Amino acid sequence: QVQLQESGPGLVKPSETLSLTCTVSGDSLSSYYWSWIRQPPGKGLEFIGYISYTESTHYNPSFKRRITLSLDRSENQVSLRLTFVTAADTAVYFCARTPPSVTTDWYFDLWGRGTLVTVSS
Amino acid sequence: SYKLTQPPSVSVSPGQTASLTCSGDNLGAKHACWYQLKPGQSPLLVIYQDHRRPSGIPERFSGSNSGNTATLTVSGTQPMDEADYYCQAWDIDTVVFGGGTKLTVL
Repeated sequence: QVQLQESGPGLVKPSETLSLTCTVSGDSLSSYYWSWIRQPPGKGLEFIGYISYTESTHYNPSFKRRITLSLDRSENQVSLRLTFVTAADTAVYFCARTPPSVTTDWYFDLWGRGTLVTVSS
Repeated sequence: SYKLTQPPSVSVSPGQTASLTCSGDNLGAKHACWYQLKPGQSPLLVIYQDHRRPSGIPERFSGSNSGNTATLTVSGTQPMDEADYYCQAWDIDTVVFGGGTKLTVL
């Protein structure tokens, strides 16, 4: 059974960098697209970006140049790095998988449970 | 940017049918999918490609998409179906989510 598990610091100071890792168990990273999505408290879902197995990336323009996604094939992990965080970045951060067959019929077929990150001094 | 609109809440009695809508400009020309979110659990894909059910999703969940509206229908709603539901589509080159609907089973 394939599982995704997000991990990282639960508290980050304003202006610092948020770094999260998604560990994939039960399967490899091969072929899939790997995304990060977040949900601020009491609000809806927001797409952050994705990285393909070939390491091509697509980022939500809302995050401008603050975001970097990367893969570690040896550890079967996907990482998110978000710089210059503010209180508005406080959210539950999810990682999610997309099958390689999709194009404009994009969907996430598997999600992690999410991890809460609070930005506060 | 493209926007998907969902009603904030829908209420249904157990055993009845719940219809959750998702509206967007010419949404029927795109592909819609739906996720179920429950506190402390991984979000769950319940409908993809407008009407397809992933393996393990009960038949009481169905979907349609036409014109400007995609609809998630839950037939014979059960108390376990109480959750937040989000629609999602792909526009130009990015993922767009609706604002979510809280389904309450009274």
